[in-house]
Amino acid sequence: DAGVTQSPTHLIKTRGQQVTLRCSPKSGHDTVSWYQQALGQGPQFIFQYYEEEERQRGNFPDRFSGHQFPNYSSELNVNALLLGDSALYLCASSFGTVWEQYFGPGTRLTVT
Amino acid sequence: AQSVAQPEDQVNVAEGNPLTVKCTYSVSGNPYLFWYVQYPNRGLQFLLKYITGDNLVKGSYGFEAEFNKSQTSFHLKKPSALVSDSALYFCAVRDNNAGNMLTFGGGTRLMVKP
Repeated sequence: DAGVTQSPTHLIKTRGQQVTLRCSPKSGHDTVSWYQQALGQGPQFIFQYYEEEERQRGNFPDRFSGHQFPNYSSELNVNALLLGDSALYLCASSFGTVWEQYFGPGTRLTVT
Repeated sequence: AQSVAQPEDQVNVAEGNPLTVKCTYSVSGNPYLFWYVQYPNRGLQFLLKYITGDNLVKGSYGFEAEFNKSQTSFHLKKPSALVSDSALYFCAVRDNNAGNMLTFGGGTRLMVKP
């Protein structure tokens, strides 16, 4: 049973560019959440998708947007990258919105 | 607003000794509480959760946690630490009155010495 997968593993971008990160949920899961983990900190909630809609959003600017596809996979898009966007981006999936979330290995984004 | 505090940046313990990693939380409604572990350059692995019921929750790899409502705590414990338990541990809370987002603590690094 494949767990949560994310691509790419690492990414280097320049300030002002745009980036798209991808996530495939664990088999049987229909809810995807995205988190940003800066170095030395705990993950911060970005947003959650369920039934192809953004259900809840954390304290992140509109530069951060997402999408969920009919097969439950998801994308995170970040526009106008800033140096401060450098972080590990984690995707988590769950069955419904109530139960424990299972995390992928993350995408390490470096903005130069 | 919901919040989590992990008061210790690092916990050091000798192999074979019991370990405790502390967590306190603040929510307006009833809490759903979780512990996750993170190994270097890896995502988070789920260890255990408290939703309702028995205050002592047993999880993966011999870990357990005790929910204490009066002290708003959810400390992670293990009777006998292993060197392989050395990792970064995160406590997280979900307030069932505030949607589905998880709020994480800042993490506690556990170092188990042989």
